[in-house]
Amino acid sequence: DSGVTQTPKHLITATGQRVTLRCSPRSGDLSVYWYQQSLDQGLQFLIHYYNGEERAKGNILERFSAQQFPDLHSELNLSSLELGDSALYFCASRNYGYTFGSGTRLTVV
Amino acid sequence: AQSVTQLDSQVPVFEEAPVELRCNYSSSVSVYLFWYVQYPNQGLQLLLKYLSGSTLVKGINGFEAEFNKSQTSFHLRKPSVHISDTAEYFCAVSVIQGAQKLVFGQGTRLTINP
Repeated sequence: DSGVTQTPKHLITATGQRVTLRCSPRSGDLSVYWYQQSLDQGLQFLIHYYNGEERAKGNILERFSAQQFPDLHSELNLSSLELGDSALYFCASRNYGYTFGSGTRLTVV
Repeated sequence: AQSVTQLDSQVPVFEEAPVELRCNYSSSVSVYLFWYVQYPNQGLQLLLKYLSGSTLVKGINGFEAEFNKSQTSFHLRKPSVHISDTAEYFCAVSVIQGAQKLVFGQGTRLTINP
């Protein structure tokens, strides 16, 4: 157990739908990073939050959004889902190093 | 911007043989360097990291890596591999200042044959 918790582990949904992925960082870590892992794009940085504030955006689609709540957990919202959004979504928290959760596997059918 | 190139997409080796997984990076500023391992259907686990100091870094499971600033490389090595080392290995960099997001290479699939 890395200390970073992601739920759900698996998600199957239809095109056009909206889903929410949740991440709880390690105790005491203020940073949360979201990554997408797909076969064709590899591991891509999506977005970074620090203590509730957005700090950096990467290759995140406009259909995707995220937020970090006062208790420091973060949610990644994916809407108008397309087949190509099927991927593993990881979050990581950082203190002196990066610790990854076990990921959420999203399948869009 | 930073980029990472892992020179081999697949590396097959025999059990108990040595292995080197190559990683080159590009950055105009100083960076930290990392190697992560991903076992099938699992998340990313940190193998080792270079932050500063000695350029030879030792990690878990008998792996080590050497930071070479002049060649902008951070190759991963293990003197004798086991079947259990079969996994995907990712090299990553982050800048020292700023948002410090990790930029990953495309990964190297290490396959250990008996």
